[in-house]
Amino acid sequence: DGGITQSPKYLFRKEGQNVTLSCEQNLNHDAMYWYRQDPGQGLRLIYYSQIVNDFQKGDIAEGYSVSREKKESFPLTVTSAQKNPTAFYLCASSIAPAGTGELFFGEGSRLTVL
Amino acid sequence: GENVEQHPSTLSVQEGDSAVIKCTYSDSASNYFPWYKQELGKRPQLIIDIRSNVGEKKDQRIAVTLNKTAKHFSLHITETQPEDSAVYFCAAGPNFGNEKLTFGTGTRLTIIP
Repeated sequence: DGGITQSPKYLFRKEGQNVTLSCEQNLNHDAMYWYRQDPGQGLRLIYYSQIVNDFQKGDIAEGYSVSREKKESFPLTVTSAQKNPTAFYLCASSIAPAGTGELFFGEGSRLTVL
Repeated sequence: GENVEQHPSTLSVQEGDSAVIKCTYSDSASNYFPWYKQELGKRPQLIIDIRSNVGEKKDQRIAVTLNKTAKHFSLHITETQPEDSAVYFCAAGPNFGNEKLTFGTGTRLTIIP
């Protein structure tokens, strides 16, 4: 069954702790993305990667970090430097890194900072 | 940069009636306009998209229209059904680079049986 898998689905974190969200895809897509979704706001791009071992900052990268050591994996770390980390996080992938086309999304991870 | 405004934020229609969601954008260089549907608790999924060389595109009960002069595009859903209830997001961006897509704030559509 092809697709994108995000884990965990729900995560609670204490202030000052880093947390890593997992994103795995078996679609053989080159490009992967992390978005943040807040109530009443559109999806905002955190980081993206068009190829293994390369990634770029999106519009709201501060307080986040990523890695792309394997084509199928693009984990996101929410660091303690992120001032307002409570949000719903969506990972996505697409076939063509340089073109535009369908984004395939995971089911999301909801992070709550206590 | 691109700015996308989406209206209305919530919309309720009787089952069987039509629903229209509108988006405006600011960057005349945008040429790609997708629409995503996110059902409650599920992942967003692409339902239709249009590129600037086309004024209208239809897929069964859904259609998208584009007016490049006025910089707006709309999603039309006819003969609405309960399964159309969801949040719909529009987006705008250039022909190259999904990372350059700017999303609207979403419309929560509720179909009243």
